[in-house]
Amino acid sequence: KAGVTQTPRYLIKTRGQQVTLSCSPISGHRSVSWYQQTPGQGLQFLFEYFSETQRNKGNFPGRFSGRQFSNSRSEMNVSTLELGDSALYLCASSPWQGGTDTQYFGPGTRLTVL
Amino acid sequence: QQQVKQSPQSLIVQKGGISIINCAYENTAFDYFPWYQQFPGKGPALLIAIRPDVSEKKEGRFTISFNKSAKQFSLHIMDSQPGDSATYFCAAKIGNEKLTFGTGTRLTIIP
Repeated sequence: KAGVTQTPRYLIKTRGQQVTLSCSPISGHRSVSWYQQTPGQGLQFLFEYFSETQRNKGNFPGRFSGRQFSNSRSEMNVSTLELGDSALYLCASSPWQGGTDTQYFGPGTRLTVL
Repeated sequence: QQQVKQSPQSLIVQKGGISIINCAYENTAFDYFPWYQQFPGKGPALLIAIRPDVSEKKEGRFTISFNKSAKQFSLHIMDSQPGDSATYFCAAKIGNEKLTFGTGTRLTIIP
């Protein structure tokens, strides 16, 4: 099976702009989670989607939003970019078969805000 | 509030030695404890995981030791190799809730 894919891999934006990142989960996986990784804060949970519904949400401002499509693909959007949004954004998918599911991560999108 | 504390922040081990990374958690409701390995430019990859009903799990050179009463778990890498040089993250979760990660340990294996 192909792994989790994320596009684009690298992105450079300026303050005030908005950005959309895309994630395609492993085939058959129904849950998609997003994480922000920075050297200072480590891996921070953004949100999780299952069956096109947001199931969990982390402590991020409303500028961060996401959605999931019927084919389980997911996008996250960051509006009004700030310098502090520069980070590696990771997507993880899991089958969500009940119980505790293993999460499989994609390679990430490196976002740089200038 | 950080719920999973990981130490050390960085670790240098000689080739062939044992690498040990420790994590402590606060929430006794956690029921799944994975370890992830991350190489530069890559996403974290699941290495090994344990549930609290088991005190130890071994997969090849990698072993998780789990101490439920102390609320601690650790990763042991036996016969450490230069290819093991990476950043390691412990994590914990409750059921299908989000993963809570430790702060990471940068492991360097020197020849």
